[in-house]
Amino acid sequence: QVQLVQSGTEVKKPGASVKVSCKASGYTFTSYGVSWVRQVPGQGLEWMGWISPYNGNTNYSPKLEGRVTMTTDTSASTAYMEVRSLKSDDTAVYYCARDPRFMNGGSGSFYGFWGQGTLVTVSS
Amino acid sequence: DIQMTQSPSSLSASVGDRVTITCRASQSILTYLNWYQQKPGKAPKLLIYATSNLESGVPSRFSGTGSGTDFTLTISGLQPEDFATYYCQQSYSIVPITFGGGTKVEIK
Repeated sequence: QVQLVQSGTEVKKPGASVKVSCKASGYTFTSYGVSWVRQVPGQGLEWMGWISPYNGNTNYSPKLEGRVTMTTDTSASTAYMEVRSLKSDDTAVYYCARDPRFMNGGSGSFYGFWGQGTLVTVSS
Repeated sequence: DIQMTQSPSSLSASVGDRVTITCRASQSILTYLNWYQQKPGKAPKLLIYATSNLESGVPSRFSGTGSGTDFTLTISGLQPEDFATYYCQQSYSIVPITFGGGTKVEIK
C-alpha cells in the first residue's frame, strides 16, 4: 500500500533552517510528483511547492521562493523540503503529498496520499 | 493568485441532513477543483478531484458539481464520521495552487 512517512517533530530558533524528509513506499517513486503543504495550527492549508522525482523540476510558492528548497533522493525514494531563515510564523505542521504530475507541474494536481505531518516549531 | 472563497465558514447540522458547501474562485478554473476532508490532528483526505470525480473508497453520499468559478460539495445524509473541516483546492493555476479557507461542519 502507498505510504508516505515523514521525519519527526522539530524545534528551531529564528534564523535557523529545517529539513523535513518524506519517505515513499508502495509505488514507483519516479512515477509521481511530491507536493508540500503546510498548516499553521488552527488555520488553513498553504501550498508550498512541488518537485518531480523523475527529472528534478520544481515549482515553488512565490511567498516562499528563495527560502525553500525541495529535493529528492530517488535511490532512497525520499523527498526533502528545507526552509531557511525560519521565522515564528513558519511554525506549522508540514505535509508531503503524492502528486499525479510527475514530469512537469501543469494543471490538474490533487493529493490522494499524504504523509502524517511534521510539526516544526520556531521559537527563541 | 487565484483566491478561493468557501462558504459558510462553519455550519451546524444533524445526522441525516443534506449539507452543501460552496467554493468560489476569483477567476475561472475550468473544472480544476478538488475537495478534502480534515479531522483534528490528521492529514487531509481527498474526497473529490476535478470537480466531480469521487476518490476511490469515498462514500457515494459525497458529490461535487460546478465549473468556471462556482463549485459545490454536497453531503447527502450526513453521518457521524462526516463532522470535520472541508477544504476546496484549485489546481488550474499552478503557482501558486490555492486552498479555500475551510468549512467546519459541527454537530447541531
